[in-house]
Amino acid sequence: NAGVTQTPKFQVLKTGQSMTLQCAQDMNHNSMYWYRQDPGMGLRLIYYSASEGTTDKGEVPNGYNVSRLNKREFSLRLESAAPSQTSVYFCASSALDRGHGNEKLFFGSGTQLSVL
Amino acid sequence: KQEVTQIPAALSVPEGENLVLNCSFTDSAIYNLQWFRQDPGKGLTSLLLIQSSQREQTSGRLNASLDKSSGRSTLYIAASQPGDSATYLCAVRDDKIIFGKGTRLHILP
Repeated sequence: NAGVTQTPKFQVLKTGQSMTLQCAQDMNHNSMYWYRQDPGMGLRLIYYSASEGTTDKGEVPNGYNVSRLNKREFSLRLESAAPSQTSVYFCASSALDRGHGNEKLFFGSGTQLSVL
Repeated sequence: KQEVTQIPAALSVPEGENLVLNCSFTDSAIYNLQWFRQDPGKGLTSLLLIQSSQREQTSGRLNASLDKSSGRSTLYIAASQPGDSATYLCAVRDDKIIFGKGTRLHILP
């Protein structure tokens, strides 16, 4: 059981280049998330998807796009990378039992992205 | 808009002491609150989850409490050890999951 798989683990881009971060989960979870983490800032939500076919903006969506390709996969795209997007990116997934508040959140191992 | 705040941002205590980490949130309409641990350069590990109908959860030396009406949660760590040194984050769940900025904990041997 792989859980949440993120690729790549490391990436260096030049300003203006584009790239897509891939995320896949094999737990049949409805909800998936993309976060970025910067020193002293905690995790900030970029985009999330509550279910297949839906996506919504989080706290810091500017400069990013997402695609919920199917229930398993949720990708994050940087169309024109900027140095301010240098960060560690985490994908996560969860299945919420709304009636009981039961949930377990699973994280990928992260992608360290540097934009020069 | 839900906001999650953790105080203090950093904390150093001698080994063996009991300590409390604080988390506050602005909107009490949550499904649950979770506490996570993150070691440097690593991902997040879930420690405890408190459902909105619960008041506390315990796991070993860790005890987390939740007071929804006041928008507060605490993580109590008993008999701290150097291995407890890490960043601790709380997160609340409404339609999405929002994290606090974390408390960086250092246990002095």
